[in-house]
Amino acid sequence: NAGVTQTPKFQVLKTGQSMTLQCAQDMNHNSMYWYRQDPGMGLRLIYYSASEGTTDKGEVPNGYNVSRLNKREFSLRLESAAPSQTSVYFCASSDRGRRSYNSPLHFGNGTRLTVT
Amino acid sequence: EDKVVQSPLSLVVHEGDTVTLNCSYEVTNFRSLLWYKQEKKAPTFLFMLTSSGIEKKSGRLSSILDKKELFSILNITATQTGDSAIYLCAVPGGSNYKLTFGKGTLLTVNP
Repeated sequence: NAGVTQTPKFQVLKTGQSMTLQCAQDMNHNSMYWYRQDPGMGLRLIYYSASEGTTDKGEVPNGYNVSRLNKREFSLRLESAAPSQTSVYFCASSDRGRRSYNSPLHFGNGTRLTVT
Repeated sequence: EDKVVQSPLSLVVHEGDTVTLNCSYEVTNFRSLLWYKQEKKAPTFLFMLTSSGIEKKSGRLSSILDKKELFSILNITATQTGDSAIYLCAVPGGSNYKLTFGKGTLLTVNP
C-alpha cells in the first residue's frame, strides 16, 4: 500500500540546472498537487491537476512547469533552478472534486532540494 | 484572497500538559476545515470538520469548529513526547480542488 511516492528524496542542483521531480499515486485519485514548504511560510501550492489532462497554477507557480502524465503520475519541472527554489517539495493526491469536495489530501514524503 | 492564520506559531510544553492550538480562516464558500500533523516527513490527516459545534475526537486529540466566528481549535490532553510535531490547519478555497494551509504550529513536548 504505497500511497503517494516521490522521487528523488534529496537533490542538490547548481543555479541554472534543470530537473524533474516525479510523483505517483496508487489510490486512483483524480486530483494531484505540488506544494513547497519553507520555514515560516507553511505549505504553498505550486500547481495542481484536478483531473487527468488538466493543470492549473497555484499560489507560487513562477519558475515551475508540470505534466499530468496519466491518472497516476504528476511531475514537477524546474527548467533553470534558482537558490530561491531551495525548499522541501511535497506531492499530494485526493479524491477532491465536485462529488467529494471534502476528501483530504494524502502526501508523499517530500523531496528536499538545495540550489547552490 | 483566502486566508488561514494559526496561533501560536510555536509552543513548548511538558509531558502531561494540555494544549490548545488555534486556527482562524477567511475563505469564500466555506465547506470544511482540516487538521494535519507533520512529524519528520509527510503531513498526515487528523480531522475534517464541516459543521459548527461538532467536536471530533481521536484519543487525546479533539477539535471543534465555530463557523460563526470562523475558527477552529485543536486540543491535545495529557501530551506525550510523541505529540511533538507541526500541526497544520487547512481549508478549501474558492475552488473545490485547492487547499489553503496556515503556517502551522510547532509543538514541542519535553519529558
